[in-house]
Amino acid sequence: DAGVIQSPRHEVTEMGQEVTLRCKPISGHDYLFWYRQTMMRGLELLIYFNNNVPIDDSGMPEDRFSAKMPNASFSTLKIQPSEPRDSAVYFCASSPRTSDMNTEAFFGQGTRLTVV
Amino acid sequence: AQRVTQPEKLLSVFKGAPVELKCNYSYSGSPELFWYVQYSRQRLQLLLRHISRESIKGFTADLNKGETSFHLKKPFAQEEDSAMYYCALRALGNYGQNFVFGPGTRLSVLP
Repeated sequence: DAGVIQSPRHEVTEMGQEVTLRCKPISGHDYLFWYRQTMMRGLELLIYFNNNVPIDDSGMPEDRFSAKMPNASFSTLKIQPSEPRDSAVYFCASSPRTSDMNTEAFFGQGTRLTVV
Repeated sequence: AQRVTQPEKLLSVFKGAPVELKCNYSYSGSPELFWYVQYSRQRLQLLLRHISRESIKGFTADLNKGETSFHLKKPFAQEEDSAMYYCALRALGNYGQNFVFGPGTRLSVLP
């Protein structure tokens, strides 16, 4: 398996534009997480899914952010409209089912978003 | 409430010196703790987990339930250890699991 795959790796956009980040989790993993990494706040959990169902989106900063997981192999994080303060590295991670004793979170390479 | 704290944002040590990265947690259940490392502009990757009780790249960490701590230690730091280190807690709830991360500590090993 190629691991968790995120696209694009870098995104530069103008304020007010819509941004869509994509993630392909590791095949067979039940959980998918979206994190945001900034210098000020470190690694923040935005939302996570269990078997494609959103479980906790309390970390989503505001209504401009939305996430979907239409199937087990794909998820998107959308920001509309984007603002400069959204500039950060966005990580997607996936993990196996809860009963797996050696479960851990596997991270993608991240998407570096710059909103100008 | 589930929470992971790492009191130091930046830790600088000289090569060959011992290093200890502090981590404390708050969790009502039985904790599973991890250390993740992120080298410059790379993905986070698992360094070690308390269940395995292993030593990876010379690093060890012991879970102390009494002090609710999981400090990461290495007796002799190397320059290639310079990276961002995150302590994480695997939390179980009614709807499955979640990974809660601390704010991270940037380790800088000076020559």
